[in-house]
Amino acid sequence: DGGITQSPKYLFRKEGQNVTLSCEQNLNHDAMYWYRQDPGQGLRLIYYSQIVNDFQKGDIAEGYSVSREKKESFPLTVTSAQKNPTAFYLCASSIFGTRGDEKLFFGSGTQLSVL
Amino acid sequence: AQKVTQAQTEISVVEKEDVTLDCVYETRDTTYYLFWYKQPPSGELVFLIRRNSFDEQNEISGRYSWNFQKSTSSFNFTITASQVVDSAVYFCALSGGAQKLVFGQGTRLTINP
Repeated sequence: DGGITQSPKYLFRKEGQNVTLSCEQNLNHDAMYWYRQDPGQGLRLIYYSQIVNDFQKGDIAEGYSVSREKKESFPLTVTSAQKNPTAFYLCASSIFGTRGDEKLFFGSGTQLSVL
Repeated sequence: AQKVTQAQTEISVVEKEDVTLDCVYETRDTTYYLFWYKQPPSGELVFLIRRNSFDEQNEISGRYSWNFQKSTSSFNFTITASQVVDSAVYFCALSGGAQKLVFGQGTRLTINP
């Protein structure tokens, strides 16, 4: 089945530690996205990528980093500079990422908590 | 700037009741797109519907219907004869041209048996 796989489902971070969230898609989509979901705040865009080896900052990129070395993969690193990392992180993809009418396909998310 | 407001944070109804989720948006674009997504307890968002700014026809899909009114900048979602399986968080979202999606805060809908 085609889809987006996020792992792990739950992740815990210690103070000062970097952690990496995995996102893999087999939909052959060009564009991939990372969103952060906090209770009562909807989804906010962290980073997105429309092509391999290229990515752009979203609205809340500070404290996060990404890479796009393969079309299928778009890992997100939450660095120690992100002071409030506890949230639900969602990865998504779309066919091109260049048109406003594209629908997004989402993974099942990773819940990150701070120890 | 684009903005989506879902004023209803939580709604709770009894099964078989009809329920309407409100969505109000702001944009200066003449061409834009509106979406509804459903987030069940499993976590992933599921696409429900897309509307472009030039198509104000209401749409019905089974028990779901959507009412798009440009005059009031609203794109409301109604579930008729609600069922327990409709319990989820519902998000309204907006994009303009090549701009990325802006999501509303979401409405948590609980259908009680």
